[in-house]
Amino acid sequence: AQKVTQAQTEISVVEKEDVTLDCVYETRDTTYYLFWYKQPPSGELVFLIRRNSFDEQNEISGRYSWNFQKSTSSFNFTITASQVVDSAVYFCALTSGTYKYIFGTGTRLKVLA
Amino acid sequence: SQTIHQWPATLVQPVGSPLSLECTVEGTSNPNLYWYRQAAGRGLQLLFYSVGIGQISSEVPQNLSASRPQDRQFILSSKKLLLSDSGFYLCAWSVSLAADTQYFGPGTRLTVL
Repeated sequence: AQKVTQAQTEISVVEKEDVTLDCVYETRDTTYYLFWYKQPPSGELVFLIRRNSFDEQNEISGRYSWNFQKSTSSFNFTITASQVVDSAVYFCALTSGTYKYIFGTGTRLKVLA
Repeated sequence: SQTIHQWPATLVQPVGSPLSLECTVEGTSNPNLYWYRQAAGRGLQLLFYSVGIGQISSEVPQNLSASRPQDRQFILSSKKLLLSDSGFYLCAWSVSLAADTQYFGPGTRLTVL
């Protein structure tokens, strides 16, 4: 069975601190895809990144970076120099080639001014 | 560019009343459409998906139903709401079913009293 674990329920940081959100997944499939979504207080899920299992290159997009490590089944998300606008719930998700996403339970990030 | 709309944004309904939530997508043709429910403080649960007009697949047996009367319109309904139907309902779309990125709408917050 597939599973996504986001062990950090809530994280609080002070503005400008770096923060890493953890995502650990379980799957027996060799081909799979991982996602991160941001859910701000307004509720809409905003797509951040999609990564397939054959691409272990880390990705950087502005202050956001993602570290994909198949050896530890992790796909962690780091925000550098956090800002108040980064406050949201962040979801990690997994799928193995179908429409069925397995979502983690989310990590609530609070960035304090 | 593609946009996805949901309405109403919020809804308070008494137990036993009917429900109709609407989702429309603009800027794309023949999208795959999805209804998710997010209970308070929890992850997302896929309720229905649709690959075309009149084609609905149910993921979880429940008090709800879905319909797709037009290519870019997806409706979530109930004949009689239960207290357990309260939650945040999100509509999403994707180009294909095969592990494609799903893009979410702004959601509808439903409270059943």
